[in-house]
Amino acid sequence: GENVEQHPSTLSVQEGDSAVIKCTYSDSASNYFPWYKQELGKGPQLIIDIRSNVGEKKDQRIAVTLNKTAKHFSLHITETQPEDSAVYFCASGGALNFGKGTSLLVTP
Amino acid sequence: NAGVTQTPKFQVLKTGQSMTLQCAQDMNHEYMSWYRQDPGMGLRLIHYSVGAGITDQGEVPNGYNVSRSTTEDFPLRLLSAAPSQTSVYFCASSYRSFAVQETQYFGPGTRLLVL
Repeated sequence: GENVEQHPSTLSVQEGDSAVIKCTYSDSASNYFPWYKQELGKGPQLIIDIRSNVGEKKDQRIAVTLNKTAKHFSLHITETQPEDSAVYFCASGGALNFGKGTSLLVTP
Repeated sequence: NAGVTQTPKFQVLKTGQSMTLQCAQDMNHEYMSWYRQDPGMGLRLIHYSVGAGITDQGEVPNGYNVSRSTTEDFPLRLLSAAPSQTSVYFCASSYRSFAVQETQYFGPGTRLLVL
């Protein structure tokens, strides 16, 4: 099955800085790459996704880039705010295999 | 719409006991799934269903049973609980079958402790 590697496992940035989380996947047939945000005590919630026919997608301060040749995709958060602090998961594959998550802490 | 609901929110079991985790969605989604979340392990797929009457195994199915008699409900059964099943369980649903991936909507989770 699909194997998804996510790095880093923890990330600490100062408010206003940018944060980047990277994922690699193994199945070259994968064509859907979502990112989920999980706040403490809640279920994951989709924040952005990208399909294989697109190289980049933006939504305000959040962007996702996809490199199908290298089989990796990244989440970019600009102008980080304390409310961005959460655990972020990438996913890929037919039954959505998830990475192990990145705990992002944004300090004021 | 209530979205995806899960009950109970928290449960303590003794080893060997059985229980059913309930999951319901009111969005008329065809695809439903169960994940478990453990520290450092991310979200691992237990079972999924692409429609009423159809279920299949995910990455970690052992010790769990599912059924899908209606579009709305997808209960997860623990037949004989073990301490290794201590985890947080999330139910999720999406509009179409997993063959065409769509946004998955997650429930709030059930925290299970097996003593």
